Amino acid sequence: DQQVKQNSPSLSVQEGRISILNCDYTNSMFDYFLWYKKYPAEGPTFLISISSIKDKNEDGRFTVFLNKSAKHLSLHIVPSQPGDSAVYFCAASGGNGQNFVFGPGTRLSVLP
Amino acid sequence: SQTIHQWPATLVQPVGSPLSLECTVEGTSNPNLYWYRQAAGRGLQLLFYSVGIGQISSEVPQNLSASRPQDRQFILSSKKLLLSDSGFYLCAWSWGTSSYEQYFGPGTRLTVT
Repeated sequence: DQQVKQNSPSLSVQEGRISILNCDYTNSMFDYFLWYKKYPAEGPTFLISISSIKDKNEDGRFTVFLNKSAKHLSLHIVPSQPGDSAVYFCAASGGNGQNFVFGPGTRLSVLP
Repeated sequence: SQTIHQWPATLVQPVGSPLSLECTVEGTSNPNLYWYRQAAGRGLQLLFYSVGIGQISSEVPQNLSASRPQDRQFILSSKKLLLSDSGFYLCAWSWGTSSYEQYFGPGTRLTVT
């Protein structure tokens, strides 16, 4: 049973437009969420995080929104750039910071 | 600055052979260390984590084991590989208990034939 779901395996967006990547979770004990970006044959790199006490966190072109009642978070990338093309993983933790559960990932392709 | 190393980068091993993957972290002390596996088309699955030398927590029962013989060294092992062990293995580290962000190594692509 997947506790963290990313229902879109892939997404294509035109350069300069907004990319919206979605993530849903089922465990109400999760209180910290992260997004990672992964290029082929490389380890994931941390992108942005959000705690359950917030509903929005922004860092440059990246904004993460958290809707606790819907158990849903999303990552917005504005404007999208070709270098953003990668697999994006959503991850959630239940408070101890050790056991992160990762979603299956969404492959983003930004078209020039 | 901190860096994390993993080797080898790729590995092809026959079924039933042993496995040893090594991960080392530089530039920090007493990190939390993690082993993940990414199977084809799947997300990252946490296999083991360690908060200190000799302290290993296993998340998924399997034929893999982990050891932490030194503060900044984390080893993933198997006595006999299965075909289902194929995947991309990632080591990661994080600061103590005050930071949740994990920093990943470059990964090892393991193919069991």
